[in-house]
Amino acid sequence: DGGITQSPKYLFRKEGQNVTLSCEQNLNHDAMYWYRQDPGQGLRLIYYSQIVNDFQKGDIAEGYSVSREKKESFPLTVTSAQKNPTAFYLCASSISPRETQYFGPGTRLLVL
Amino acid sequence: EDQVTQSPEALRLQEGESSSLNCSYTVSGLRGLFWYRQDPGKGPEFLFTLYSAGEEKEKERLKATLTKKESFLHITAPKPEDSATYLCAVQAWTTDSWGKLQFGAGTQVVVTP
Repeated sequence: DGGITQSPKYLFRKEGQNVTLSCEQNLNHDAMYWYRQDPGQGLRLIYYSQIVNDFQKGDIAEGYSVSREKKESFPLTVTSAQKNPTAFYLCASSISPRETQYFGPGTRLLVL
Repeated sequence: EDQVTQSPEALRLQEGESSSLNCSYTVSGLRGLFWYRQDPGKGPEFLFTLYSAGEEKEKERLKATLTKKESFLHITAPKPEDSATYLCAVQAWTTDSWGKLQFGAGTQVVVTP
């Protein structure tokens, strides 16, 4: 089955720790995205990648980093510089940058 | 700046009681308007894309319509399984190849038996 997988489902971060969220897709999509979802707010774009080895900052990139070394994978690192990381993180992909985005199941990040 | 406002924030319906959700938008030039459904603790599920005023799309009990300033998601004779948060997003025409989505905060729908 084609789709987008995210792991882990839940992630706990200690103070000062960097953590990495995984996103994998087998849809052969060129574009991939990371969003953050907080209660009562719309999804906010963290980073996006239109093609392998290229990525751009979204609206709230501070405290986050990404890489796109393979077409299928777009991991997100939440660094210690992100002071309010508790949120639901969603990865999405689309066949090309302007087409419909399809979402993964999400990772909930909590701070210990 | 592109803006998307969804109303109401929450909607409680009896099973079979039809209703509509609103998505008002301001965008420099609309390329597409997207509707998603999101269940608690899960990722959004794509429902529809609308591209031009007057366009309508249907799927089971859901029907989406589009005008130049807003979109409606009509739920006809809802069932409890239609309970979810419905998200609206707009995509503007841009000079580059990238099509950013601007999301609304969503409407939480609860359908009771």
